[in-house]
Amino acid sequence: ETGVTQSPTHLIKTRGQQVTLRCSSQSGHNTVSWYQQALGQGPQFIFQYYREEENGRGNFPPRFSGLQFPNYSSELNVNALELDDSALYLCASSLGRGQGSYGYTFGSGTRLTVV
Amino acid sequence: ILNVEQSPQSLHVQEGDSTNFTCSFPSSNFYALHWYRWETAKSPEALFVMTLNGDEKKKGRISATLNTKEGYSYLYIKGSQPEDSATYLCAFTDTDKLIFGTGTRLQVFP
Repeated sequence: ETGVTQSPTHLIKTRGQQVTLRCSSQSGHNTVSWYQQALGQGPQFIFQYYREEENGRGNFPPRFSGLQFPNYSSELNVNALELDDSALYLCASSLGRGQGSYGYTFGSGTRLTVV
Repeated sequence: ILNVEQSPQSLHVQEGDSTNFTCSFPSSNFYALHWYRWETAKSPEALFVMTLNGDEKKKGRISATLNTKEGYSYLYIKGSQPEDSATYLCAFTDTDKLIFGTGTRLQVFP
């Protein structure tokens, strides 16, 4: 059983650029959620995808967008990067669109630095 | 705004000590409470998912309790070992998203 894989592990971008982060979900999982962890905070929910459709979004601007593919892998895209986007981005996969009572499997994250 | 609070922020204990942490969450619209263990540079590892008031779960030396009516959960570690050093995160769900606390950072000294 494979876990959740995220790529790249680290990334440095310039303010105003665009970035794409990738996530392969755990085998058998059909739901992917993305979280942003800024320094000193807990992870904050960005959005969730269930069977290729967005299924909930946190308090993030539209320049944060995502995709889920037929194999349930996912991308997080951020346009017009700002310095405050510097954070650890975590991907989590799960089975089903339950009310959070299922377990989530997390990747080890992508550390994004915007300069 | 839904808020999850964890205390203490950090904890330093000697090997063999027992310790506990607190997670406070909104008591309305509760679906589940999750505990994760997160070592530096690794993935957060799921410890427990708790859904019912009065739930008690155990995994080796780690156990957790849940009180949904008053909105708190306790995580206990019995006989802490250096390998228990990590950040322990709790997360509350009212829908499909996890709402995390800022975590308790535990360091166990040999």
